[in-house]
Amino acid sequence: GAVVSQHPSRVICKSGTSVKIECRSLDFQATTMFWYRQFPKQSLMLMATSNEGSKATYEQGVEKDKFLINHASLTLSTLTVTSAHPEDSSFYICSGREGKETQYFGPGTRLLVL
Amino acid sequence: EDKVVQSPLSLVVHEGDTVTLNCSYEVTNFRSLLWYKQEKKAPTFLFMLTSSGIEKKSGRLSSILDKKELFSILNITATQTGDSAVYLCAVGTGTASKLTFGTGTRLQVTL
Repeated sequence: GAVVSQHPSRVICKSGTSVKIECRSLDFQATTMFWYRQFPKQSLMLMATSNEGSKATYEQGVEKDKFLINHASLTLSTLTVTSAHPEDSSFYICSGREGKETQYFGPGTRLLVL
Repeated sequence: EDKVVQSPLSLVVHEGDTVTLNCSYEVTNFRSLLWYKQEKKAPTFLFMLTSSGIEKKSGRLSSILDKKELFSILNITATQTGDSAVYLCAVGTGTASKLTFGTGTRLQVTL
């Protein structure tokens, strides 16, 4: 199956700082990438959808100025959590899709904001 | 609002048992239904279903979709401890085919 990587896998930061998470499709071109957030023992919640070269589409309730998404190439998307607060602590997962229905997920990034 | 409901929420079985996991949905503009297995990290893809009544099979796992009754089942036969995980059902909708996930079924297989 298609492989998606994420970096870093785990990050701890101080409140008020910004954190960037990278998502890469390693063996396919992801025309669309998705960013999800998952709280403990809950399911994945879609945050935003990004298409290469265009602005991301954010789900209702997700602040676009706080969660900056850039999809600069067909293999790379980044999520920047700006001015992070403890309530932003979560498991962030990206997925890539090559134009068909199936989304392939990265291994996730666990963010802890102190 | 699109909704995906999975049952049971959790399940404990003995190794060798057969289990059936359920997923029902109420969505607008259905495109596909996907099953994923999530262990400690991100979900891994199991099946994608788009047509009613056609069973998809991979080893001891199989799945089928009923688009009239709006549900799908995932069967696991001869369960092993390695099957212990959260199984997620997701429905793809709309032209962007974004996924709406259910809350998952936590399966624990004991010796």
